[in-house]
Amino acid sequence: DTGVSQDPRHKITKRGQNVTFRCDPISEHNRLYWYRQTLGQGPEFLTYFQNEAQLEKSRLLSDRFSAERPKGSFSTLEIQRTEQGDSAMYLCASSGSGLVETQYFGPGTRLLVL
Amino acid sequence: GDSVTQMEGPVTLSEEAFLTINCTYTATGYPSLFWYVQYPGEGLQLLLKATKADDKGSNKGFEATYRKETTSFHLEKGSVQVSDSAVYFCALSSTGGGNKLTFGTGTQLKVEL
Repeated sequence: DTGVSQDPRHKITKRGQNVTFRCDPISEHNRLYWYRQTLGQGPEFLTYFQNEAQLEKSRLLSDRFSAERPKGSFSTLEIQRTEQGDSAMYLCASSGSGLVETQYFGPGTRLLVL
Repeated sequence: GDSVTQMEGPVTLSEEAFLTINCTYTATGYPSLFWYVQYPGEGLQLLLKATKADDKGSNKGFEATYRKETTSFHLEKGSVQVSDSAVYFCALSSTGGGNKLTFGTGTQLKVEL
């Protein structure tokens, strides 16, 4: 069990550019979650997948954000036309699909938009 | 909607002191409750959880009891160590909605010698 991995760990970009982050969940987990954490705050839910289906999206996820999980394994989160307010830590977590399952978090991708 | 309120930090304690971090919640239905910990430079890790009223979660000397009547899940440890210095997050997941987590703002704990 290698845990949840995320790539890259850090990303610096200029306002208006597009960025894409990748998450590789624990292999036997069929649920995958994305959260965003800003400085001094707790993580906020963005979206989640069960297998390849995106089942819920938060109102925080504007039209500039899109997430995919094409084969039910890894997932990508893309932000188009980045804004300075997108600067945050983007966290991925995975879990099984039982009634109460522990979510295991990756190390996060820290995004800085200049 | 669901929400979690934690006591603000930072909390600074001497080694071997008693720790309490307060957490209260608002949720529909019967949520599961969690404490996650984030050590410096590391990702979020589950510390303990409780899935129904009166359950006590425990791990590494930390404990928390799910109190439905007071909608609380306070974290306690009898004797903290310097290595417990971290940020602690209280969270809930409601039944339905894919078990997404709602977090509090976190409480930073600093333990000094």
